[in-house]
Amino acid sequence: KAGVTQTPRYLIKTRGQQVTLSCSPISGHRSVSWYQQTPGQGLQFLFEYFSETQRNKGNFPGRFSGRQFSNSRSEMNVSTLELGDSALYLCASSLAHGGRGTDTQYFGPGTRLTVL
Amino acid sequence: QKEVEQNSGPLSVPEGAIASLNCTYSDRGSQSFFWYRQYSGKSPELIMFIYSNGDKEDGRFTAQLNKASQYVSLLIRDSQPSDSATYLCAVRGNYGQNFVFGPGTRLSVLP
Repeated sequence: KAGVTQTPRYLIKTRGQQVTLSCSPISGHRSVSWYQQTPGQGLQFLFEYFSETQRNKGNFPGRFSGRQFSNSRSEMNVSTLELGDSALYLCASSLAHGGRGTDTQYFGPGTRLTVL
Repeated sequence: QKEVEQNSGPLSVPEGAIASLNCTYSDRGSQSFFWYRQYSGKSPELIMFIYSNGDKEDGRFTAQLNKASQYVSLLIRDSQPSDSATYLCAVRGNYGQNFVFGPGTRLSVLP
């Protein structure tokens, strides 16, 4: 079974631009969570989508948004990029059908975003 | 604010020794506990999860959970240089709530 995939793997943008990152979960997984990882802040939760609905949201500004499609693929968008948005963006998928262990998250390789 | 704490390390152990990694969490209602390993420049990979008090073993890895003390640990037996990585503890509250990750502990296994 294929793992979680993320595109693009690397991205360079300038301040003020916007960016869209994509995540394809493991086949059959219904939940997709997004995280931002920086050396100073560690792994910070952005949001989680389940069955096309945002189920949880972290403490990030409204510039960060996401969505999930009917095939469980997810995108996140960052508008008006700032230098501080430079980070590794990770998505993780889980089965999430209620049984024990189904909330286990499996991570994709990440998208390295650099904002100049 | 739900918090998960870990010693940042680095924790250095000689090859063949037992490495002990610790994690404490603030939310007493937490239900699920996970350990991930992250190599430099890579994404986190799941080591194991634990839901019930006590020990859970998987190969060289043993997770220990004590909900009364709000404490979860990971033991790595016969540590190898390839185990050198950052180990992330993650905790989830009730089903449907998001994961909260600790800052990670950097482990260095010396040959």
